[in-house]
Amino acid sequence: DVKVTQSSRYLVKRTGEKVFLECVQDMDHENMFWYRQDPGLGLRLIYFSYDVKMKEKGDIPEGYSVSREKKERFSLILESASTNQTSMYLCASTPWRDSNEKLFFGSGTQLSVL
Amino acid sequence: EDKVVQSPLSLVVHEGDTVTLNCSYEVTNFRSLLWYKQEKKAPTFLFMLTSSGIEKKSGRLSSILDKKELFSILNITATQTGDSAVYLCAIPRAGSYQLTFGKGTKLSVIP
Repeated sequence: DVKVTQSSRYLVKRTGEKVFLECVQDMDHENMFWYRQDPGLGLRLIYFSYDVKMKEKGDIPEGYSVSREKKERFSLILESASTNQTSMYLCASTPWRDSNEKLFFGSGTQLSVL
Repeated sequence: EDKVVQSPLSLVVHEGDTVTLNCSYEVTNFRSLLWYKQEKKAPTFLFMLTSSGIEKKSGRLSSILDKKELFSILNITATQTGDSAVYLCAIPRAGSYQLTFGKGTKLSVIP
């Protein structure tokens, strides 16, 4: 079974702190994604990556950056956390294959910024 | 812009009831439509419907796709409390592996 692991289930940070959310997948998938999920807004794409050192902005990239130095690891960085970044963050991956849009999700990180 | 609209947003039923969840969509170059179930944590994959596979079934869950009317339904028969979850519908964007998600339907099954 594909495993997508997010390093923390719950995280509490202070406004202005630099925050790293880590995601690791064990199935050699090329594509990795970061979503945030908020009540009433659903899942929204922050950033994604098709390959090592490649990154593309999603719908809501402001206030975030990402890093993909190794194929299995995709990190989301909040340079200076703000209270409006309190949310559930979900990482996902999928292989590069035609007609395979099925995403595999991690368990999520609930981030609270105080 | 791609759009996915799910209805209802929430639903409360009794165990044993049958429920139908709706998903309508607008997308350039339709490829597939996906259903996920989300309990407390990671969304888990249920079905993927494509032009060549417009009906899927797994146990008490089934889904159909109407490409002409641009919608899909997810049916759950003989509901159980374990079916309580948020059900998400998603479509891939044209030329991409990015998924556009609906806001989800929160299903609560009470004994």
